[in-house]
Amino acid sequence: KNQVEQSPQSLIILEGKNCTLQCNYTVSPFSNLRWYKQDTGRGPVSLTIMTFSENTKSNGRYTATLDADTKQSSLHITASQLSDSASYICVVTSPDYGNNRLAFGKGNQVVVIP
Amino acid sequence: SAVISQKPSRDICQRGTSLTIQCQVDSQVTMMFWYRQQPGQSLTLIATANQGSEATYESGFVIDKFPISRPNLTFSTLTVSNMSPEDSSIYLCSAGGTDTQYFGPGTRLTVL
Repeated sequence: KNQVEQSPQSLIILEGKNCTLQCNYTVSPFSNLRWYKQDTGRGPVSLTIMTFSENTKSNGRYTATLDADTKQSSLHITASQLSDSASYICVVTSPDYGNNRLAFGKGNQVVVIP
Repeated sequence: SAVISQKPSRDICQRGTSLTIQCQVDSQVTMMFWYRQQPGQSLTLIATANQGSEATYESGFVIDKFPISRPNLTFSTLTVSNMSPEDSSIYLCSAGGTDTQYFGPGTRLTVL
């Protein structure tokens, strides 16, 4: 079973609207949680990274939240733009993994339409 | 941050042949990694490319199938050997450490 589950798998939103993506993880112990944006045909690009003690972090119109007690994170996109169409990947690290291995979610596929 | 480039960006190959993918980082990095991303799936770590020594492979991946070179701190190659259609995937190089990892643009491989 994947240790990082994301929902919804995909969604379509109108330009200018907001949306929220969910990430639930079972990784324990926990080091940090990252959200990456992956445009079609490109490699993932880091949006936010949060440690255990952080519960929110913003990067422009992207705001990530983290509840380490319930092992949940969300990524909120405000006033979506066409360029936000991409896959958003939740990634979790653990000190037990060693060797800098990461646990990846399958991604939330977002399509923004005009 | 680190800027990572990969060559080729895509290729279509025949069954039974091999393809070598190159990864170049614009600065010296300690850790370099190779991932595979199949359609609709998570990224899967193939191996850690160690400078000056043999790569460290994850379960399910072997050196004979995916030989890796790391001649210095800015460059690595991954070879996909004796390819079959099941090897069709995107192969990604990454570099970084505990705090973050940077990814290359990926190589889209199609095996006929």
